[in-house]
Amino acid sequence: EIVLTQSPGTLSLSPGERATLSCRASQSVTSNYLAWYQQKPGQAPRLVIYGASSRATGIPDRFSGSGSGTDFTLTISRLEPEDFAVYYCQQYGSSPRTFGQGTKVEIK
Amino acid sequence: QVQLQESGPGLVKPSGTLSLTCAVSGGSISSSNWWSWVRQPPGKGLEWIGEIYHSGNTNYNPSLKSRVTISVDKSNNQFSLKLNSVTAADTAVYYCARCSGWYSAFDIWGQGTMVTVSS
Repeated sequence: EIVLTQSPGTLSLSPGERATLSCRASQSVTSNYLAWYQQKPGQAPRLVIYGASSRATGIPDRFSGSGSGTDFTLTISRLEPEDFAVYYCQQYGSSPRTFGQGTKVEIK
Repeated sequence: QVQLQESGPGLVKPSGTLSLTCAVSGGSISSSNWWSWVRQPPGKGLEWIGEIYHSGNTNYNPSLKSRVTISVDKSNNQFSLKLNSVTAADTAVYYCARCSGWYSAFDIWGQGTMVTVSS
């Protein structure tokens, strides 16, 4: 099983600032099959990035994903008020599908 | 567009069986998608439970495999989850989700349903 470790646990930033979230895998993620999800309180997760760097439908271009192998990054170039949420990485290259523990992006 | 809706009892007794259904609308469950269950205990992260293809092929999380059964009902365009021998640790919001292919992220999610295990 691939274990995903996200850092930091909490990111305190102001609107307009840049957010950089990290996801590290315990072994290489097959073909960079790595996704990022955004979850707001009381809502289901929403797909943001798939294939490590492809934006999902309707996701603004201030969101970008990068990385390969075992190290992946989600960057939000300029935080908008609606971006404050919890973000999870997830790998889908091998079974079982696994999630990271999440990074909370909160308003400073 | 495809939508998913979970349904089932919100309260299950310890040692009992948790049973949930996910209704698929706006598309066919027999399309080339994998259909999953994911859960989230209160205040915690996401855990993948397992998945099914319309052919009936399944994959389960090894941590739950001995207690889980996922099945598909093509005539009603839905799939189901059964988790037996439940304890308080199984209290969570349960989501159904779609993967549009084997190597695919969860691109569509249901709204989730809260299940509490308590006597």
